[in-house]
Amino acid sequence: NAGVTQTPKFRVLKTGQSMTLLCAQDMNHEYMYWYRQDPGMGLRLIHYSVGEGTTAKGEVPDGYNVSRLKKQNFLLGLESAAPSQTSVYFCASSYLFGPRNEQYFGPGTRLTVT
Amino acid sequence: RKEVEQDPGPFNVPEGATVAFNCTYSNSASQSFFWYRQDCRKEPKLLMSVYSSGNEDGRFTAQLNRASQYISLLIRDSKLSDSATYLCVVNEGTYKYIFGTGTRLKVLA
Repeated sequence: NAGVTQTPKFRVLKTGQSMTLLCAQDMNHEYMYWYRQDPGMGLRLIHYSVGEGTTAKGEVPDGYNVSRLKKQNFLLGLESAAPSQTSVYFCASSYLFGPRNEQYFGPGTRLTVT
Repeated sequence: RKEVEQDPGPFNVPEGATVAFNCTYSNSASQSFFWYRQDCRKEPKLLMSVYSSGNEDGRFTAQLNRASQYISLLIRDSKLSDSATYLCVVNEGTYKYIFGTGTRLKVLA
């Protein structure tokens, strides 16, 4: 039981390049999330999904797109990377929203955009 | 006012000490509360959920005070391995989990 996995672990992009981050979970969770974490700030929600085929915007969605074609996978895309997108990206999943519903996180992807 | 506020620390304590962190939240309608532990450059890991009646897990005790809108985490008999950043997380019953910026704990030998 791997929990939540993310690939790649590290990546360096040049401004304007594109990439896709992959998140996979094997806990049969309905809900999945993408966050970014920057120094001195709490985790901020980029996009989330409430089930296969659904996505929705979070707090900081600009410059990112997502897809959830399969229940276990949630992809985060950067179409044209910018230095402001240098961050650590965490994927998370949960069974439900609401009381006593914990999120479980992947190991993160460290992205640097030069 | 931030939605979730934590003292950033660091809290430097000797091994064996008891240390407590508080976290305040602004939305009185918040429904669930959690403490996560985050080691340097790693993912947040769930430490414990916080229940209305308070709950304990070994050396860790969490309390919720809805009237004053804060949650607390007490760590007894601190170990070197407890050194980490502790994140307070509040959920409003929807997709919205609000993360504090964390309290850094250093346990000293």
